[in-house]
Amino acid sequence: KAGVTQTPRYLIKTRGQQVTLSCSPISGHRSVSWYQQTPGQGLQFLFEYFSETQRNKGNFPGRFSGRQFSNSRSEMNVSTLELGDSALYLCASSQGMDNEQFFGPGTRLTVL
Amino acid sequence: AQSVTQPDIHITVSEGASLELRCNYSYGATPYLFWYVQSPGQGLQLLLKYFSGDTLVQGIKGFEAEFKRSQSSFNLRKPSVHWSDAAEYFCAVTNTGFQKLVFGTGTRLLVSP
Repeated sequence: KAGVTQTPRYLIKTRGQQVTLSCSPISGHRSVSWYQQTPGQGLQFLFEYFSETQRNKGNFPGRFSGRQFSNSRSEMNVSTLELGDSALYLCASSQGMDNEQFFGPGTRLTVL
Repeated sequence: AQSVTQPDIHITVSEGASLELRCNYSYGATPYLFWYVQSPGQGLQLLLKYFSGDTLVQGIKGFEAEFKRSQSSFNLRKPSVHWSDAAEYFCAVTNTGFQKLVFGTGTRLLVSP
């Protein structure tokens, strides 16, 4: 069974631009969660989607948004990029509630 | 609010020696507890998890962890460390029914020859 895939793996953007990251969960998994990892703040939860509905949201500004499609694939979008948005963005999938999460390799976003 | 503390930022262990990584959590109800490992430039791999039942849980790669409710701890152990274990280790907690993991700040393990 293929693991969680994230595209692209690396991105370089400039301040003020927007970016869209994609996550394909493990086949059969309906929950997708997003995390931001930075040296200063560590791993922080962004949001979680289940069956196309946002079920949980972390403490991030509205510039961070996401969605989930009917095939469980998920995208997250960051608008008006700031230097502080430079991070590794990790996606995790699980079958549903109370299930362990499997992480993808992440997308490394650099904002210049 | 839930929180996780990993008091050791770095730990250096000789190859073949035993390892214990500390994790303390703060949460009112019975938590779900996890240990993940992250190699450089990689995502997170689940080592083991505790949901309920036996407080000593076995994981992959020879790791185990013990849940101690009285101490709010979930320490990770391995009897004999291999050079390939060098990585960063994260303890995480969540409550029942939710997928929002709260992570500790991580412990970087260095293995000396």
